[in-house]
Amino acid sequence: GAVVSQHPSWVICKSGTSVKIECRSLDFQATTMFWYRQFPKQSLMLMATSNEGSKATYEQGVEKDKFLINHASLTLSTLTVTSAHPEDSSFYICSARDLSGGLETQYFGPGTRLLVL
Amino acid sequence: AQKVTQAQTEISVVEKEDVTLDCVYETRDTTYYLFWYKQPPSGELVFLIRRNSFDEQNEISGRYSWNFQKSTSSFNFTITASQVVDSAVYFCALSEAMWNFNKFYFGSGTKLNVKP
Repeated sequence: GAVVSQHPSWVICKSGTSVKIECRSLDFQATTMFWYRQFPKQSLMLMATSNEGSKATYEQGVEKDKFLINHASLTLSTLTVTSAHPEDSSFYICSARDLSGGLETQYFGPGTRLLVL
Repeated sequence: AQKVTQAQTEISVVEKEDVTLDCVYETRDTTYYLFWYKQPPSGELVFLIRRNSFDEQNEISGRYSWNFQKSTSSFNFTITASQVVDSAVYFCALSEAMWNFNKFYFGSGTKLNVKP
């Protein structure tokens, strides 16, 4: 089946640094990808919708200048957490929308654990 | 208001017991999808099932079964003869036609502990 990968799988960084997380669709083209954030023992919350070749659409309450999203190709979207702070520590999950085969499906990546010290 | 409610925060059962995870949803759309995902400690979401709003037929897959009832806006998930490997957090989710099925609304999750 379709696979979505994320890199890195986990990252530890110092407060104030920027961290880039990649989301790739490995065997299908994804015009739309999604970024979620999951705090410990909580549910997944949609942060933004990433559209290939255009600006991302952010959910209410998500700072677009802090969470930069770039969807430069049909198989890659990146999330950059700028000037990360300890409160940004979370589990970040991407998903990619697959429209091939006539049946729309979203596939989730394995997630990236971010710890900001 | 929450679109997906999973009232059970945590459930503990002994191996071989049956367990039902509840999911109640709220939507004004007539066309929508409902999902169940499993999230083991590794964190990766494992897709279990997708059901569209026009298909109320219950489904069984091995030890898993799902009961979709539009009249009560519920999409409950039952594991028969539970096993230790079933221990995980289970999420119910909803996507609506209004948003072109782009937005996933996740419930808060139910943590299932299956003890040997």
